[in-house]
Formats: sequence, structure tokens, C-alpha cells
Amino acid sequence: EVQLVESGGGLVHPGGSRRISCAAAGIPFSSDTMAWVRQAPGKGLEWVSSISGTGMNTYYADFVRGRFTVSRDNSKNTLFLQMTSLRGEDTAIYYCAKEERNWNVLTMPDWGQGTLVTVSS
Amino acid sequence: SYVLTQSPSVSVAPGQTASITCGGANNGYNSIHWYQQKPGQAPLLVVYDYLERPSGIPERFSGSYSGNTATLTIGRVEVGDEADYYCQMWDSTTNHRIFGGGTKLTVL
Repeated sequence: EVQLVESGGGLVHPGGSRRISCAAAGIPFSSDTMAWVRQAPGKGLEWVSSISGTGMNTYYADFVRGRFTVSRDNSKNTLFLQMTSLRGEDTAIYYCAKEERNWNVLTMPDWGQGTLVTVSS
Repeated sequence: SYVLTQSPSVSVAPGQTASITCGGANNGYNSIHWYQQKPGQAPLLVVYDYLERPSGIPERFSGSYSGNTATLTIGRVEVGDEADYYCQMWDSTTNHRIFGGGTKLTVL
């Protein structure tokens, strides 16, 4: 059974930084591309970033604009998202998800329960 | 860049059929997938590659596409199907993952 457990959320002041984590179990983590998807209160899903299994390839949504960095520690089956220069509009539940890709079919079949990051003074 | 457009809401009576559309799917080249999200829960993949169902998803959930529009159809709708539904695609030119704005399904 796949288990993805996010942690590290909390209250952050505007302009501050936060690192959130996602611990994975039940999957061959080092071969899996992983993603971060966020959801602002009452809003829809918004893809943030993805990282290949080796960590060599990273992808970001345009709104990240160098503020966020995705990384992973395959020895600990853990995914990270380092967020800096945080703004109120970054307030959201941040989900980690495992991706699967076959040709042009890229899905996110497994998700964690999310961690809430609140940016407020 | 791609934009996936969904109607904000759909209402249907129990036992009827609900159709949720996703526009902007680029004539079938970029595969579309559907997620169900109930309040307080993580999203759940219910249809992938336009019309395939993951194991464990009831046959009442089906997908199709025509031209630039993908459709999620839920037959014999149940109260438990009330949720937000999101379409998603992968833009292979930018490597961006794109979600539609979501459709709230209300079961009257």
C-alpha cells in the first residue's frame, strides 16, 4: 500500500521561508517522479513542481519564479519543497503525489493528505 | 500554454447521469485524466487517458472525448458522488502539469 505523509506546514510570516516534507512508503521511491500540488482555501488544484526519480530533472509552475526548490533524499524516501519569499497567496494545503507516465499519459494516482501552509502576519 | 476549462458546477438528481466537461484538450493529443475530491480529502484518480478506469473505480464512471473536449460521465449518480471533479493533462513541451478549474457536482 502506498503511503505518502506530508509534514512541516504551519504559520509563516510574509517574506519568510518554510520547508515541507513528504515521507513515502510502499513504493520504489527512487524510481518514481514525485510532484507537489497545492490548493488554496476554497480554490482548485494547482500544480507546483515535479522532480524525477534521480532528482536530476526538476520542473516548476511559472508562478514559482525561483522562490521554491524541490528536492529529494532517496536514502530516506523523502521529498522536500523549500519555499522562500512566501506571500499570502501561497497559503494552501500542499499535497505530495506520485506520478506515473506512459508515453503522453502522465497521471498522479497516489496522494498524501496534505500539509497546510498559512502565510500571514 | 494550455488552459483547461470546466464549468463551475453541475447538478443532478440521484439515479440520473451527470456529464462534466473539460475544454482545451488539444484534439486528443494530450491525454486527459479526471480526479474526484470530496471535502477534506485528497484527490482520487477516477479516469485516466480519457476513458480508462483505475482498479476499484466503479463502472458508473466513464470518460470520452470529442475534438477539443473531454467528458467525464457518471451514471446512476449517488449522493456519495457529490464532490469536486478536476481534469488534468501534461504539456509535454513545457513539462507542466495542468489542472482544470474544477466542477462541483451537487446531487439534489
